This record gives sequence, structure tokens and C-alpha cells, in this order.
Amino acid sequence: DIQMTQSPSSLSASIGDRVTITCRAGEVIGTYLAWYQQKPGKVPKLLIYAASTLQSGVPSRFSGSGSGTDFTLTISSLQPEDAATYYCQKYNSDPHTFGGGTKVEIK
Amino acid sequence: QVQLVQSGAEVKKPGSSVKVSCKASGGTFTSYTFTWVRQAPGHGLEWMSRIIPILAITDYAQKFQGRVTVTADKSTNTVYLEMSSLTSDDTAMYYCASASAFDGPNAFDIWGQGTMVSVSS
Repeated sequence: DIQMTQSPSSLSASIGDRVTITCRAGEVIGTYLAWYQQKPGKVPKLLIYAASTLQSGVPSRFSGSGSGTDFTLTISSLQPEDAATYYCQKYNSDPHTFGGGTKVEIK
Repeated sequence: QVQLVQSGAEVKKPGSSVKVSCKASGGTFTSYTFTWVRQAPGHGLEWMSRIIPILAITDYAQKFQGRVTVTADKSTNTVYLEMSSLTSDDTAMYYCASASAFDGPNAFDIWGQGTMVSVSS
């Protein structure tokens, strides 16, 4: 199966910091890349689809970029409620593989 | 917009089977594609399968081929995940999610609440 490699696996940042998470696909996937946020004990929530399109209701401090094989999720100014694990997922074709996740903690 | 409601928690013995349901409401069932994702305790998300009811197409992750069956009942707007030969490694939260079946591929924006399956002797 095609791998989705996220980095880092975890990070700790302060309120107001700019946070960047990367995702590398093992094949060219165009912009068929989604980012999900999952808080402990909660259902995953779609943040970004088509690599850079913000899902309705998601704060504008979240942004996504990239195409082909390399993608980035950026939180421009980290807020306390952003503490969560973030996953990328390819959906151009089956299997819709997820990245391993990036746990974001607040210092 | 569609809402997804999954069946309740299950406790199973090793070697047995489980069938989890995901009922869609508030939308046209055949307008959606559905996926199953699982998450073992303390682990990440793992994609298992996808079904497109309008096309009667189902795909599975290689590791689940032959052990997992996903079906859709258009008369009850329900998608099912059946898994056989359960082991303790199958202990996980199982999620269904949906995406529009048109103008795709599309990301999965609607998720069920999850169904906990515990496998223990």
C-alpha cells in the first residue's frame, strides 16, 4: 500500500506560535489530500480538503498547501483549543491511507 | 446534510465475528460513498474499506481482504462492516464516514460516532 509519511510525530509549541506539519505521499496524488483534527476521545474532524480548501466552519488560522507528493498544514497562531492529533489522508484512489499522525501539545 | 449513527459497542471472543452498522439519515443514500476507519487504543487512524452504493463497488485495504465484508442496504440506508476471525488486535474504535459520490474524489466530511469493538477471551 502507498505510505503517507507525516512529520514530526509530535511537537510542543506556545500559544501564538506558528506550527507546521508536513505530509509526504508515496505516490503522486495531485491535490487529493485531506487533513483531519482529532481531540482525545472525539471523532476525527475534517479541517482541509483538496490540499488547501478550508472546510466550512474551520478557523482561518488553519491553512494547507502542496500538490503532488508534498503537503503542509500550518496553524498560523496556535490556540489552546488546537491541542489535538492531526492526520493527513490521501483520497485520490483506494486505499485512502492515513499518515501516522502528529500530536500537537501546548507548552 | 447526512447524519451517520452507528450501532452500539460490542464485546467478542477471539475467533468470532462482528457486524457493525452505520445508518444514514437526512440525505439521499445513493448520493454518498461510505468508508470504514478504525483506531486501536492509543494508535492512529487506519483506513479499512470504501463502498459506493450507487455503483455497487467495494474496495478493501490489502490487510483486510478476505476477512472484512462491507455491504450497503439501500432499503434501510444502512452500511455494514462485518469482520471475521477476530483477534485481540481487532480491539478498536470503528468509524464510518461519508463523502459525496459526485464530482469526486471527495474527502470524508461526515463521521459517525464510532463503535467500540473489544475482543477478549
